[in-house]
Amino acid sequence: DAGVIQSPRHEVTEMGQEVTLRCKPISGHDYLFWYRQTMMRGLELLIYFNNNVPIDDSGMPEDRFSAKMPNASFSTLKIQPSEPRDSAVYFCASKDSVASPLHFGNGTRLTVT
Amino acid sequence: ELKVEQNPLFLSMQEGKNYTIYCNYSTTSDRLYWYRQDPGKSLESLFVLLSNGAVKQEGRLMASLDTKARLSTLHITAAVHDLSATYFCAVVLKNTGNQFYFGTGTSLTVIP
Repeated sequence: DAGVIQSPRHEVTEMGQEVTLRCKPISGHDYLFWYRQTMMRGLELLIYFNNNVPIDDSGMPEDRFSAKMPNASFSTLKIQPSEPRDSAVYFCASKDSVASPLHFGNGTRLTVT
Repeated sequence: ELKVEQNPLFLSMQEGKNYTIYCNYSTTSDRLYWYRQDPGKSLESLFVLLSNGAVKQEGRLMASLDTKARLSTLHITAAVHDLSATYFCAVVLKNTGNQFYFGTGTSLTVIP
């Protein structure tokens, strides 16, 4: 099993640009999560999906952030327009059953200048 | 909202010593998870604790859960340098399914 795959690993962009982060969950996992990690705020849940349907997006900071899951093997997190305060590591995670742990990808380190 | 507190935030210990990391949470939960994160890396699942009194052990690490006290502990026995990492606990609200609330993390450094 290849695990959760995220791309790109690093992204450096200028303020105002659009950024798209990508995630491929583990095959067979019904749940997909997007987290953001910063030193100041720790790990924050942004949004999660169950069977490709967004269940809770209350953690999405503002309208500049959007996430989609068009099929069971792919999800995107888009920031438009990006701002310096969006700089963070963004993790995607997936899981199968209710009690199983989250399986995290390697993360995307985003730097907005 | 569920609050999850870990202490200590930073821990420096000598090889061979024992120590315990504590994870307190504010609301009823029936599931607790421990993760390890190495610098610049992803989070790796260590333990899944699903009931009051649950105890899990792997190598020099042992985790336990007391749901009545809303407390989990991660005990380190005879620490070695390879255990240096940041350890997170994560709690799921009872009956809510999938809202994982992460603690602040404990940064552990084991000194030779």
